[in-house]
Amino acid sequence: ETGVTQTPRHLVMGMTNKKSLKCEQHLGHNAMYWYKQSAKKPLELMFVYSLEERVENNSVPSRFSPECPNSSHLFLHLHTLQPEDSALYLCASSQDGGKAFFGQGTRLTVV
Amino acid sequence: EDQVTQSPEALRLQEGESSSLNCSYTVSGLRGLFWYRQDPGKGPEFLFTLYSAGEEKEKERLKATLTKKESFLHITAPKPEDSATYLCAVQPFNQAGTALIFGKGTTLSVSS
Repeated sequence: ETGVTQTPRHLVMGMTNKKSLKCEQHLGHNAMYWYKQSAKKPLELMFVYSLEERVENNSVPSRFSPECPNSSHLFLHLHTLQPEDSALYLCASSQDGGKAFFGQGTRLTVV
Repeated sequence: EDQVTQSPEALRLQEGESSSLNCSYTVSGLRGLFWYRQDPGKGPEFLFTLYSAGEEKEKERLKATLTKKESFLHITAPKPEDSATYLCAVQPFNQAGTALIFGKGTTLSVSS
């Protein structure tokens, strides 16, 4: 069983659809993250859940909505996305913000 | 503002041709510096953590070093399977629970 598991691995959605990405960590960490990775850009932090508190990047559009029901599960709800939102979405976990363990990512294509 | 800059952006090597990747950082206080390897379409895979200037870590053909302003990832006699994007990240020393700050990465291609 891998440390951080993301589903689905690939997702194609229309601009009017609603979908959710799921992440589960089996490492007992107390922090979980969503990152966006676009070509030629650094990993962009979208949301952090740490010790049950949420910290977010204020530049993330409201069409992305995170949910963290417990310390092991993290969701990213998507609605009315734009083509520029197509990217690799990565989930990660860590203990106290240190070494991060990443999932394999979800390749999202918005058509 | 905390910042990480990696160079070069891309590097092409012949098999066996040693080289180094650079990661320079600006951070108010460094809690840790991390190196990751990322293969296309996959999540980053952890390689090393460095905590203080002068520290070195090794794994197979890779060696990471740290100074007060930068880190190097030295690749000795690389093989084609070392081809990947190498990411550097820093953890600022402000508060627990914050996320790592990543550079854009160096894409390494090793040809036989």
